[in-house]
Amino acid sequence: AQSVAQPEDQVNVAEGNPLTVKCTYSVSGNPYLFWYVQYPNRGLQFLLKYITGDNLVKGSYGFEAEFNKSQTSFHLKKPSALVSDSALYFCAVRDPQGQTGANNLFFGTGTRLTVIP
Amino acid sequence: DTGVSQDPRHKITKRGQNVTFRCDPISEHNRLYWYRQTLGQGPEFLTYFQNEAQLEKSRLLSDRFSAERPKGSFSTLEIQRTEQGDSAMYLCASSPGRSSPLHFGNGTRLTVT
Repeated sequence: AQSVAQPEDQVNVAEGNPLTVKCTYSVSGNPYLFWYVQYPNRGLQFLLKYITGDNLVKGSYGFEAEFNKSQTSFHLKKPSALVSDSALYFCAVRDPQGQTGANNLFFGTGTRLTVIP
Repeated sequence: DTGVSQDPRHKITKRGQNVTFRCDPISEHNRLYWYRQTLGQGPEFLTYFQNEAQLEKSRLLSDRFSAERPKGSFSTLEIQRTEQGDSAMYLCASSPGRSSPLHFGNGTRLTVT
């Protein structure tokens, strides 16, 4: 069965500093990995995905993430944080080879990012 | 691309009542998903449609929950005999393919009193 772990409930970073939001996953096959951001009382907005190819993927708003198969991680990064980046971030995984749940996304519990001015 | 639309945005109901939510996906997206999100948690999968066929349903989904997508376009999620534990944000998403990201609506927030 697939699963996602976001080990940090909260990440605080000063404006202008680099940020990292951690994600590890568990699947039986090769994963499809996604990051989403959620603002208060809103749905989730897609940031970026890894399906295949380059391990470093770039997405919206200057975010990027690195797929690391040996560490089963997909950490979200940004070189310089903005106050407007403050939000709830979710990592999600799909196991397309899985016997069950191959068609849907499984989400982590989320990490609240606060960028301090 | 007008986005995924959900109606209503908010619903307050008394315990025991039935409620129905509607989702209009992005046109031509053949995949439609329902998720539930409670405070402090990530979205939890409820069910998945490909066109009009309901292909997956969470084992956690009570028999009081039912979803339809009659013509492969909009979808409805009905909760019968609501309980306080049903209070949550119900999110709908659509996607054009397996490797594509899900596009989420803004959700329907249900409060059961």
